[in-house]
Amino acid sequence: DGGITQSPKYLFRKEGQNVTLSCEQNLNHDAMYWYRQDPGQGLRLIYYSQIVNDFQKGDIAEGYSVSREKKESFPLTVTSAQKNPTAFYLCASSMGPLSPYTEAFFGQGTRLTVV
Amino acid sequence: AQKITQTQPGMFVQEKEAVTLDCTYDTSDQSYGLFWYKQPSSGEMIFLIYQGSYDEQNATEGRYSLNFQKARKSANLVISASQLGDSAMYFCAMREGNNAGNMLTFGGGTRLMVKP
Repeated sequence: DGGITQSPKYLFRKEGQNVTLSCEQNLNHDAMYWYRQDPGQGLRLIYYSQIVNDFQKGDIAEGYSVSREKKESFPLTVTSAQKNPTAFYLCASSMGPLSPYTEAFFGQGTRLTVV
Repeated sequence: AQKITQTQPGMFVQEKEAVTLDCTYDTSDQSYGLFWYKQPSSGEMIFLIYQGSYDEQNATEGRYSLNFQKARKSANLVISASQLGDSAMYFCAMREGNNAGNMLTFGGGTRLMVKP
């Protein structure tokens, strides 16, 4: 079955550590996105990528980094510079700019907690 | 300014009744798409329904319909015959035509609770 896989489902980070969240899709989608969701809130865009080896900052990119070396993969690193990283992180993909009115598909999410 | 506004933080509905979740949007584009997603307590985002700005008919998908009023810039979700499994967060989202990144912009969500 095609879909988006995020791992791990739960992640605990110590203060000052970098952690990487995995996102893999087998939908052959060009565009991939990372969103952050705080409790009771909507989704805010961290980074997005429309093509391999290219990505752009979203609204809240500070303290995060990404890479897009393969079409299928878009990992997100939460760095120690992110002062309040505890949140729910959702990865999404869509067909890309040639099909702007198709829906985005989401992974199951990763819940990150700083301990 | 907020691009997507959902003014109902929480709503109750009796099982088997219909409910309307409000969404207003702000864009200067002529070409855009509006989406509704459901987020159960498990966290995944489930796509429900889509409306294009040039679509003349309101979108429908099973028990879901979208009341699209372009002049008022509103795209309300109507759920008919509510079921207990409809209890979840609901998000309205928009993708604008000149959006170089093709990303979705989300509203703050509405928590729907279905009473038995």
